[in-house]
Parts: sequence; structure tokens; C-alpha cells
Amino acid sequence: VTLLEQNPRWRLVPRGQAVNLRCILKNSQYPWMSWYQQDLQKQLQWLFTLRSPGDKEVKSLPGADYLATRVTDTELRLQVANMSQGRTLYCTCSAGQGAGERLFFGHGTKLSVL
Amino acid sequence: GEQVEQLPSILRVQEGSSASINCSYEDSASNYFPWYKQEPGENPKLIIDIRSNMERKQIQELIVLLDKKAKRFSLHITDTQPGDSAMYFCADQGGSAKLIFGEGTKLTVSS
Repeated sequence: VTLLEQNPRWRLVPRGQAVNLRCILKNSQYPWMSWYQQDLQKQLQWLFTLRSPGDKEVKSLPGADYLATRVTDTELRLQVANMSQGRTLYCTCSAGQGAGERLFFGHGTKLSVL
Repeated sequence: GEQVEQLPSILRVQEGSSASINCSYEDSASNYFPWYKQEPGENPKLIIDIRSNMERKQIQELIVLLDKKAKRFSLHITDTQPGDSAMYFCADQGGSAKLIFGEGTKLTVSS
């Protein structure tokens, strides 16, 4: 059963151009949505957790700047800007924020720099 | 600290033998330790997890051990098959909701 819908699966991003990613939650029992990045060395790193519509956060990491927005109860967005190295962005969901809540990954969007 | 160290980074075993991956963590508040398997081109998938009130958990050929005193946990795959070949990631969850991942182990099972 698919909990998350992430599109597209792959994007080629011209250097200097921003890209907008979207994630749709298919099961309201897992409302805690997050973004994780996986770099070219396969390292997985948490970026954001946004629970409520209207929540918004920014972060700058080596190789990219991020702006995450929880648009609705079912939609999470991520803007990726100033990307200098390719990476894969995964949307995740969990039932809660407490200890031991299982985390489930979407299929991911692989970004490559042109 | 929030680091999770995972070793080895590369592991090659013969089909039918066991494979072991070890992780250590720093945050004494960590209380949940999942393991993910990632096949090429796919997303990470949760395969087994253990909470801090347990020392051992087994699901079929997967065994996880947790030593809270030493801040170490490990995954053991018994009777490995070629289909077990993949990247494996350990993670821990401390006081916050986010998972801190190890650097991954590339497991290759040869027949």
C-alpha cells in the first residue's frame, strides 16, 4: 500500500535554477511528514518535519538551499535552490512524533544538475 | 552528540552464511533503532526495528541486538541469499522525531 506519492521521480535541474517538489500523503493515519535528502555518497540526512498546514521552514546545506512548506494536511512541498550537486529527496511520513514511531519513505525524487 | 557510526561500509559474504552490521550511537536519550534496506534505484524500506526496552528481536532471518550500556546495536542476517544484496542503514531516534542514519553498508551476497 502506497502511503506517499512523490512526483516526479527524476528531474534534471539547470545550474542556478530552482526546482519545486511535491509530496502527497495517501493515508491520513501518518500525518507527520518530513523531507530527507540522500547525497551521492548515499548518506541519508533529515531536513524538515512539518505537521500543520502553513508550517514553513528554510535550511541551507552544503550543495543546496531548501524551503519546505506544509500546504495542506495531505500536501508537502520542497523548493530546492542553488543546487551544486545531485541528490535524492525523500518525503516520509509517520503516525506521530513520539519515540518509536515508524518512518516510511516515498519513492523519492532524484535531482541531477545540468 | 547525534552521530551514528556504522561498520563495515562494504560487506561481501557467500550465500548461506551470516552477515553482521554494527552501529554505535552517542545520544543517551536514543530509544528507537530501525534498520532500512535500500535496493538500487529504490527507496529505503524498513525491515526491522527495536525499541530500548528490548535487547533482542528476530523476524525470520533478521536478528537485531541492542546493548544500551555500550550504546551499540547490530543487525545479523542468517542464511543470506542473493536477494539480500543491498544497502543497509541503521538509524537511531533520540528526543526529537528525526532519525539519524548511519553511513550505510553495501552488502553483496554471492552464490
